[in-house]
Amino acid sequence: TQLLEQSPQFLSIQEGENLTVYCNSSSVFSSLQWYRQEPGEGPVLLVTVVTGGEVKKLKRLTFQFGDARKDSSLHITAAQPGDTGLYLCAGSRAGGTSYGKLTFGQGTILTVHP
Amino acid sequence: GAVVSQHPSWVICKSGTSVKIECRSLDFQATTMFWYRQFPKQSLMLMATSNEGSKATYEQGVEKDKFLINHASLTLSTLTVTSAHPEDSSFYICSGRQPGRETQYFGPGTRLLVL
Repeated sequence: TQLLEQSPQFLSIQEGENLTVYCNSSSVFSSLQWYRQEPGEGPVLLVTVVTGGEVKKLKRLTFQFGDARKDSSLHITAAQPGDTGLYLCAGSRAGGTSYGKLTFGQGTILTVHP
Repeated sequence: GAVVSQHPSWVICKSGTSVKIECRSLDFQATTMFWYRQFPKQSLMLMATSNEGSKATYEQGVEKDKFLINHASLTLSTLTVTSAHPEDSSFYICSGRQPGRETQYFGPGTRLLVL
């Protein structure tokens, strides 16, 4: 059972377009992280959101954490070829046996064509 | 800050040999380190959680005798793939977490190819 559903899994767009990636769950997370990964490299942290309803901006990237802390979205404005990569959301739960572990979404492979 | 390194970055070995992968936190103390496995164009799959000075906790389906994990210091964890076989070929990634923090910082990964 995938606890964090990420969509879409594949996204191929033209330079300048906008896009949104979603991560949804029925579980509550104490924090949610977004990573970007390029082929042959490890994931690089983009942002961590911890408060329900929180919105964070990183240049052309906007991250939102749902009010109930069960879902999150990543919106990219005016995508550029340099945004191409695998985007991963990952949620952390506060207690129990899963404390400290990250639950990863399936990932979104984004390709931005010039 | 929060840099994690892995060594080697890639390794090719013959079937039946053992391979050790090192994961180091360079500028922070990682009381907990995690080991993941990733197949091409897929997400990360958690293999095990290691806490400094104690035995690793393995995820369901991961053979602890096959994947030996040692976390001997606050900055170093090692993963040894014992008697490697071609099906063990994969991209192995580690991450480190500071005490009291939830964010994990990932290493650059190690690509293992078993012939």
